[in-house]
Amino acid sequence: EAGVTQFPSHSVIEKGQTVTLRCDPISGHDNLYWYRRVMGKEIKFLLHFVKESKQDESGMPNNRFLAERTGGTYSTLKVQPAELEDSGVYFCASSRFLGEVEQYFGPGTRLTVT
Amino acid sequence: GNSVTQMEGPVTLSEEAFLTINCTYTATGYPSLFWYVQYPGEGLQLLLKATKADDKGSNKGFEATYRKETTSFHLEKGSVQVSDSAVYFCALSPNYGQNFVFGPGTRLSVLP
Repeated sequence: EAGVTQFPSHSVIEKGQTVTLRCDPISGHDNLYWYRRVMGKEIKFLLHFVKESKQDESGMPNNRFLAERTGGTYSTLKVQPAELEDSGVYFCASSRFLGEVEQYFGPGTRLTVT
Repeated sequence: GNSVTQMEGPVTLSEEAFLTINCTYTATGYPSLFWYVQYPGEGLQLLLKATKADDKGSNKGFEATYRKETTSFHLEKGSVQVSDSAVYFCALSPNYGQNFVFGPGTRLSVLP
């Protein structure tokens, strides 16, 4: 089966612009997670969808970040307006059901804000 | 709260050397523990996992044992190869299906 895919692989934007990241989870996986690694630090949780509902968004840094998962399939993460400190790698992960231990990660999107 | 601490490196070894990357955690309850690896230009891949105390995870010659008494999950490999060069992340999941908590990652470089 195809793995988790993310688009784009790399995005370079200027401060103040808007960027939308996309994640396609493994088919049939109800759970979708967003994480990010900023400035080579630890990977931090952003939010968790169960199907189209936000289960936990406690890691979202501020209201410049908006995540959606319409229809419970792919998800988008929009940053508007982007700031320099948003630069980093954004990872998406999915799992089939809520009790599953393992999460399957995508390749990540490297975001550079200049 | 939950946290993971690991040696940050970078770690540089010669081929066939013994590898240990230390990882300790703080968590309430009984978390599951993981090692993920990120090879250059690729995404995170699960390397191994352990879901309860005294479990040993193993894969590709790597091993880690879940030690509840020392809250540790150290990664070991007896003989590293150049192809093992990557960033290694220790992580925990507090409960099934909850978000992961990661350590800062350890960059390993193996020289021929």
